[in-house]
Amino acid sequence: QKEVEQNSGPLSVPEGAIASLNCTYSDRGSQSFFWYRQYSGKSPELIMSIYSNGDKEDGRFTAQLNKASQYVSLLIRDSQPSDSATYLCAVNMGGAQKLVFGQGTRLTINP
Amino acid sequence: KAGVTQTPRYLIKTRGQQVTLSCSPISGHRSVSWYQQTPGQGLQFLFEYFSETQRNKGNFPGRFSGRQFSNSRSEMNVSTLELGDSALYLCASSLVSDYGYTFGSGTRLTVV
Repeated sequence: QKEVEQNSGPLSVPEGAIASLNCTYSDRGSQSFFWYRQYSGKSPELIMSIYSNGDKEDGRFTAQLNKASQYVSLLIRDSQPSDSATYLCAVNMGGAQKLVFGQGTRLTINP
Repeated sequence: KAGVTQTPRYLIKTRGQQVTLSCSPISGHRSVSWYQQTPGQGLQFLFEYFSETQRNKGNFPGRFSGRQFSNSRSEMNVSTLELGDSALYLCASSLVSDYGYTFGSGTRLTVV
C-alpha cells in the first residue's frame, strides 16, 4: 500500500462548479496534512494546511480531514480556468520528519 | 522576502560523472528537504536536514547524499550518475516541518 494515495485523474470540471479532490494515507500517527498546487513546468506551491479533524476554509478552498478514516480532501468552489493544475496531497509521516506526497490529481477546468 | 534558491537551474551530465546541487533556504528556515520528481514516480523524498543533522532519508541508493551547513544552506550530491537519475530535483525549506514547505524552482538534471 502506498503511503499517500490520490486518484491521478484527469478530473475535468466545468467553470463555476465545485472540484473535489481526495487523498488517503496509511500512517495513523500522521498529524499534519497539506495540499499543494503545481502548474506545468513549475514547482509545487502550498495552498492549504490542516491539522485537526473537520473543515478548514480559505477563500474558495476548503480542506477536510478525517483522521479516523485516514482521509483528506480539497474542495475548490467556483472553479476557474486558472485552477487547472496538478494538485498534490502531502502528509507529514507521524514524527518522521518526512513529508510524503501522493502522485497528484490533474485537474482541468473547462470554460 | 527571498524564496528558496536552487542552483544551477539546468544541468547536463554524462553517465558515471558526479553532480552537486545547491539550495539556499528562506532566511530563518532551518528544515531543508530534497525531492526527486519524475513523470513516472512523482515527487519522491530524498532526505531532510535540520540544524546540520539528517533526520530522515528516503529509499534511494547510497549514491545520493546531502549535507547542510551552519547557515542552513544545503547541498545534495549524486555520484556515478545513471540515465535513470534524470529528473527535476527540488529543494524545500520550512521553519519547522509541521508548517509545510516552500519549494525552490528546482534543478533539471539530464544524464546522457
